[in-house]
Amino acid sequence: TQLLEQSPQFLSIQEGENLTVYCNSSSVFSSLQWYRQEPGEGPVLLVTVVTGGEVKKLKRLTFQFGDARKDSSLHITAAQPGDTGLYLCAGNFGNEKLTFGTGTRLTIIP
Amino acid sequence: NAGVTQTPKFRVLKTGQSMTLLCAQDMNHEYMYWYRQDPGMGLRLIHYSVGEGTTAKGEVPDGYNVSRLKKQNFLLGLESAAPSQTSVYFCASRADRRETQYFGPGTRLLVL
Repeated sequence: TQLLEQSPQFLSIQEGENLTVYCNSSSVFSSLQWYRQEPGEGPVLLVTVVTGGEVKKLKRLTFQFGDARKDSSLHITAAQPGDTGLYLCAGNFGNEKLTFGTGTRLTIIP
Repeated sequence: NAGVTQTPKFRVLKTGQSMTLLCAQDMNHEYMYWYRQDPGMGLRLIHYSVGEGTTAKGEVPDGYNVSRLKKQNFLLGLESAAPSQTSVYFCASRADRRETQYFGPGTRLLVL
């Protein structure tokens, strides 16, 4: 069973600060996805990264896929209260299934 | 376009009771999934289906059964509920293994 570890588990920062959350695995991903989940709702896809070393930007969010395709990071610049939520990474290991990490619960304090 | 819908939204069961959770999608997706989400555990895959009439076990299948008689519906059954099955259950679907996975709003289940 492939495992995905996310860190930190909880993060609480002031509005305007920058932050980075991490997703790591001992196995190589064929692709990796990042989701955001708000209370009472299902996760919503933010981005998919496929190529080792790939960097994708979504407004203030920057996603990076490690060169060896075993890790990924999500960096948020100038965090806003609307960024509050549970951030989940999910790895595809070349089959029909996604393996989810345990999540990072982010709180942005106004 | 409703996307992925789940019924019921919330249910309380007594230990030993049975129930069925319904997931429906109107996007003509082939792949459908059932997950459970518990605090500190992320999303864990219970069962999944890669097409009408097919099902397969995921990471935590014990105590659950599924059926995919129609392409648009994926049913999750609990034959004899246990307190350990208290959780939030999410259904998801996608067109194929490389496409975006869309989630339903979840079903919150409490087993007493």
